[in-house]
Amino acid sequence: GENVEQHPSTLSVQEGDSAVIKCTYSDSASNYFPWYKQELGKGPQLIIDIRSNVGEKKDQRIAVTLNKTAKHFSLHITETQPEDSAVYFCAAKGQKVTFGTGTKLQVIP
Amino acid sequence: KAGVTQTPRYLIKTRGQQVTLSCSPISGHRSVSWYQQTPGQGLQFLFEYFSETQRNKGNFPGRFSGRQFSNSRSEMNVSTLELGDSALYLCASSLGWQGAHEQYFGPGTRLTVT
Repeated sequence: GENVEQHPSTLSVQEGDSAVIKCTYSDSASNYFPWYKQELGKGPQLIIDIRSNVGEKKDQRIAVTLNKTAKHFSLHITETQPEDSAVYFCAAKGQKVTFGTGTKLQVIP
Repeated sequence: KAGVTQTPRYLIKTRGQQVTLSCSPISGHRSVSWYQQTPGQGLQFLFEYFSETQRNKGNFPGRFSGRQFSNSRSEMNVSTLELGDSALYLCASSLGWQGAHEQYFGPGTRLTVT
């Protein structure tokens, strides 16, 4: 089945700096790659997604890149703010959705 | 538009008992997926229902089952509870099949098995 690896598991950045989270997947049939943000006590919230026919997608301070050949995709957050602090999950969707293990992002004011 | 709602939010059960969790999707959404979230295993897919039919299933034992009603509301049942079933159970709804449409998660049901 699909295997999704996510790195790093924790990430601390200064407010205003950029944060990058990377994921790799194993199933070449995966064609949909969403990213979720989960705050304490809440369910994951979709923040951005990308499909396999696109290499990059941007939404304000958030961007996602996809390299299908290498089977990896990344989340980029620029100008980080304290409210960006949360756990971020990547996922890959082929037959089923498989999630990465999560990255706890801490933005230090 | 109201989001995904899950009831109850918290539940404490004893080993051997059974439990039923409920999920109401966003109005108009026809697909409901269930996930188990634990610190050790992360987010794991349980099953997906679309138009009252189970479309996809994860690698969980038969003690975990679900169903979907004609109004798209879904229930998940766990029988013969084990300590390891303690987890946050999340449901997510989407307009159509989860692979083609964005999923929106509910707040989850925190199940504790003692």
